[in-house]
Amino acid sequence: DIVLTQAPLSVSVTPGESASISCRSSKSLLSSKGITSLYWYLQKPGKSPQLLIYRMSNLASGVPDRFSGSGSETDFTLKISKVETEDVGVYYCAQFLEYPYTFGAGTKLELK
Amino acid sequence: QVQLKESGPGLVQPSQTLSLTCTVSGFSLTSYHVSWVRQPPGKGLEWMGVIWTGGSTAYNSLLKSRLSISRDTSKSQVFLKMNSLQTEDTATYYCARTYNNYFDYWGQGVMVTVSS
Repeated sequence: DIVLTQAPLSVSVTPGESASISCRSSKSLLSSKGITSLYWYLQKPGKSPQLLIYRMSNLASGVPDRFSGSGSETDFTLKISKVETEDVGVYYCAQFLEYPYTFGAGTKLELK
Repeated sequence: QVQLKESGPGLVQPSQTLSLTCTVSGFSLTSYHVSWVRQPPGKGLEWMGVIWTGGSTAYNSLLKSRLSISRDTSKSQVFLKMNSLQTEDTATYYCARTYNNYFDYWGQGVMVTVSS
């Protein structure tokens, strides 16, 4: 199975400042079709996960452009610029390259 | 708009079978796959399995021997059945629309507790 390792597991950010979350894959997530199958989700407290970024760097519909994704075949970063109160929750990276689909352990973002 | 809603018993006894239903609206089960994902309290997400548009299924090998996913397209419903439940199966169970092999919409989830 593909293992996704997130770091840090928790981050405390002052509103208005930036935050970065790392996700490292045990295997290249680049498909034969040239698609990097790495996704980012945010699970707000008491809610189901919501899609933020698809295919490593594409912003999902309705997601503020304060969010951005980047990376290579195995190392990925989610950046949140100018963190707002509504950004609080747990961030998960996920891979959909092969079964079983797997998730990182999650990074909890809190406000200072 | 796209909606998914899980339903089922909140409490299941150990060794019994869990039966959950995911009722969808705003899209057809013959056009989109649907997956089941679960989340133990305070823990991360685990993909359980998927039913494809054609009705075929794929399961997480860790659960394959206990898990079955089926559907009724006329009722826009996807079903999950998992047998031999143990306390470690206590979790919130989500169904999620699977588009281009990723989850774009999730249900609200249903909490299932395994306890006698």
